[in-house]
Amino acid sequence: QSLLTQPPSVSGTPGQKVTISCSENNSNIGFGTVTWYQQVPGTAPKVVMFPTGNRPSGVPDRISGSKSDTSASLAINALQSEDEAHYYCAIYDHGVNGWVFGGGTRLTVL
Amino acid sequence: QVRLQESGPGLMKPSETLSLTCSVSTGSISTTDFYWVWMRQSPGKGLEWIGSMFLGETTYHNPSLRGRVTVSGDMSKDHFSLKLTSVTAADTAVYYCAIAAQSVLLYWGQGTLVIVSS
Repeated sequence: QSLLTQPPSVSGTPGQKVTISCSENNSNIGFGTVTWYQQVPGTAPKVVMFPTGNRPSGVPDRISGSKSDTSASLAINALQSEDEAHYYCAIYDHGVNGWVFGGGTRLTVL
Repeated sequence: QVRLQESGPGLMKPSETLSLTCSVSTGSISTTDFYWVWMRQSPGKGLEWIGSMFLGETTYHNPSLRGRVTVSGDMSKDHFSLKLTSVTAADTAVYYCAIAAQSVLLYWGQGTLVIVSS
């Protein structure tokens, strides 16, 4: 099964840009299905970036995503306090017909 | 608007079988072609896929749970269930039900905490 690796934490001050990376140990899987989720403590995760690179309604265009065959990144521009949360990347593993999540990255707005 | 609500025992003893139910209200959205999914999150840790069901028939489960998982559902009654046998303290987690379209977990319940303790 694939393993997705994220940095445990990133931080930035209001107005800055931060980038969260997601890498994968199985080059046969790829990031065609990579989705990014945001989770505020005590609540359920929600989608902030679709595999297509589009954002759900309500997600600001300050948030963008990019990907290659073996990695993906989520960038948050013009950082705001409301962005403080955990962010998870996930892919759909057709080998097991299920989802694989990264370990999550805690974003702190200083 | 799609709403999901988990219900479960809250507190369990080791070796028991965990049974959870997810009630689904989909409003005007048809979710018959979607995956119905169970996820969990251990305290302070990341998210883990447990199992899922497609079209009310085909089920899949995380191989790491070694056959302890059964996902079932009655789409006509808008609910689906999870059974996890032989629970241990390692199964203590917040359990979420979710609905996925293709590869995206679109809708999530609020989660229910299950504690396994003797």
